[in-house]
Amino acid sequence: AQSVTQLGSHVSVSEGALVLLRCNYSSSVPPYLFWYVQYPNQGLQLLLKYTSAATLVKGINGFEAEFKKSETSFHLTKPSAHMSDAAEYFCAVSDPGAGNNRKLIWGLGTSLAVNP
Amino acid sequence: DAGVTQSPTHLIKTRGQQVTLRCSPKSGHDTVSWYQQALGQGPQFIFQYYEEEERQRGNFPDRFSGHQFPNYSSELNVNALLLGDSALYLCASSLTGLAYEQYFGPGTRLTVT
Repeated sequence: AQSVTQLGSHVSVSEGALVLLRCNYSSSVPPYLFWYVQYPNQGLQLLLKYTSAATLVKGINGFEAEFKKSETSFHLTKPSAHMSDAAEYFCAVSDPGAGNNRKLIWGLGTSLAVNP
Repeated sequence: DAGVTQSPTHLIKTRGQQVTLRCSPKSGHDTVSWYQQALGQGPQFIFQYYEEEERQRGNFPDRFSGHQFPNYSSELNVNALLLGDSALYLCASSLTGLAYEQYFGPGTRLTVT
């Protein structure tokens, strides 16, 4: 069965510092992987996705993630944190067993705080 | 281009009551998925609708039911509400074949007292 583990439920960085949010997955087949961001009292917004093309994926707001099959990881990074990056971040993996209409399986989320 | 819209924004219900939540998908999308997000948790998949039929279902009881209309909009119905049903209910729309690339609405915050 597919699963996603996000290491660290809370991450705190200083403004301008590197952001690293960790995500590991388990999958018996090559997965599709996603990072979503959720700002307070809002829905989820797709940051970036990996769908078996380039392993280094660039997303919105300066974020990027690298798919590492050997480590079953898809960590999210941003070189320099901005105050507006404070939010909840979710890693998700698609379930390949449902044909074209794949559902997403979600991690528990990582809350990112950015300190001035 | 209108994104995914949900109504109402907030709702307060009493245990045992029934509730209906509504979702209009992003223009051009034909698949709607519903998720429950409890406070401090990740989204939990409830079910997915395509061509007016439930195509996939998560681990939720039959108290949770849905419907999709010919215009692709969707409703989520919850009967016999329990305190544990209090959560943010998220609707996501997508295009068939790309159902993993989902666009989310702002959610409906349901409080059961």
